[in-house]
Amino acid sequence: EAQVTQNPRYLITVTGKKLTVTCSQNMNHEYMSWYRQDPGLGLRQIYYSMNVEVTDKGDVPEGYKVSRKEKRNFPLILESPSPNQTSLYFCASSIQGHGYEQYFGPGTRLTVT
Amino acid sequence: AQKVTQAQTEISVVEKEDVTLDCVYETRDTTYYLFWYKQPPSGELVFLIRRNSFDEQNEISGRYSWNFQKSTSSFNFTITASQVVDSAVYFCALSEARLYNFNKFYFGSGTKLNVKP
Repeated sequence: EAQVTQNPRYLITVTGKKLTVTCSQNMNHEYMSWYRQDPGLGLRQIYYSMNVEVTDKGDVPEGYKVSRKEKRNFPLILESPSPNQTSLYFCASSIQGHGYEQYFGPGTRLTVT
Repeated sequence: AQKVTQAQTEISVVEKEDVTLDCVYETRDTTYYLFWYKQPPSGELVFLIRRNSFDEQNEISGRYSWNFQKSTSSFNFTITASQVVDSAVYFCALSEARLYNFNKFYFGSGTKLNVKP
């Protein structure tokens, strides 16, 4: 089954404790992206990747890191999480970037206390 | 400035009513794509439609239809004879073609649709 998976689905952590949210797709997609969803703000793009070793900033990259060492995986790293990073995070992938529909993972709800 | 504006935060209708969700976008590009996604209460995001800037034909898919008007920078979504299963948050999104924005996507803040039986 074609899908985007994210782990964990739920995470509660404390300020400053490094964490990684994994994202994997099995569709051989070139493009992958991370978004955060906050009430009243919709989805905002954090980082995206056009291919292995090619990443770029979205609209809200501060406080996040990503890497793309394999085509199927695109982990999101919070090196020192803060409460304002409490949010619902979605990973997405598509055949290519511009103009193509994206397939979204199920979301990761992160709470930073 | 917001690139995609969905001014309707929440709409409530009674089943079988028609409802239109508004989307206004802002771009200087002549080539761009617009999208609609649905987020039901279960939380997943589901792709509904993609439209490129050169195709202003309206599209109909069952009870769903989309009206794209470049003159008003709008890409509105109409549900005819709404059903309870249409209850969801709907997002409009924009993908531009200019080089430094080429692979960025901009989403609106979403419209929550409540369809009551």
